[in-house]
Amino acid sequence: AQTVTQSQPEMSVQEAETVTLSCTYDTSENNYYLFWYKQPPSRQMILVIRQEAYKQQNATENRFSVNFQKAAKSFSLKISDSQLGDTAMYFCAFAYFNDYKLSFGAGTTVTVRA
Amino acid sequence: DAGVIQSPRHEVTEMGQEVTLRCKPISGHDYLFWYRQTMMRGLELLIYFNNNVPIDDSGMPEDRFSAKMPNASFSTLKIQPSEPRDSAVYFCASSLVNSYNEQFFGPGTRLTVL
Repeated sequence: AQTVTQSQPEMSVQEAETVTLSCTYDTSENNYYLFWYKQPPSRQMILVIRQEAYKQQNATENRFSVNFQKAAKSFSLKISDSQLGDTAMYFCAFAYFNDYKLSFGAGTTVTVRA
Repeated sequence: DAGVIQSPRHEVTEMGQEVTLRCKPISGHDYLFWYRQTMMRGLELLIYFNNNVPIDDSGMPEDRFSAKMPNASFSTLKIQPSEPRDSAVYFCASSLVNSYNEQFFGPGTRLTVL
């Protein structure tokens, strides 16, 4: 399995503020996908955003955006205008283009304070 | 679509008993995955199927674990005999070929072995 590293076990942010979660990964391949999944207290895993490695443009989904630095093997997630419902554990995940297995990082717990 | 369905949502059993977890993937999806989530080890891929055929079971921890997919709409993960260290949340996920490797997760089964 690929190594996916999330170095921040926990983060706290004030409502309406911005928080950035870091993720690094290790691969020598060029074709792969990167994902951020959200796991709220209900424990349901929900896909937040996806990035294809062959795309230079950073993916954006509403208040969620990524900073994909391919050379640095870095894939950070920015949550803008944080809402209480964003409180969850966030997992970074990696998959090769032609391999359907996902490798997950250890997760970052995000708490949004009112 | 109802999404990935798992049953039961919670299971409490005693050591040595047989446990069967069930999963119904999203209709039309080609791939089915079983994951285990624990505090110590995070999210681990146990096994995955493509068109009902097991492709990679290298994550199955021991011979006590077995998984089957008798048809495209049903899969089971069985633990026999169960042990306290098997206590975890077990997720099933499904995916469609050529869908950017995006996986859709079920709500999980929380297993407690006493």
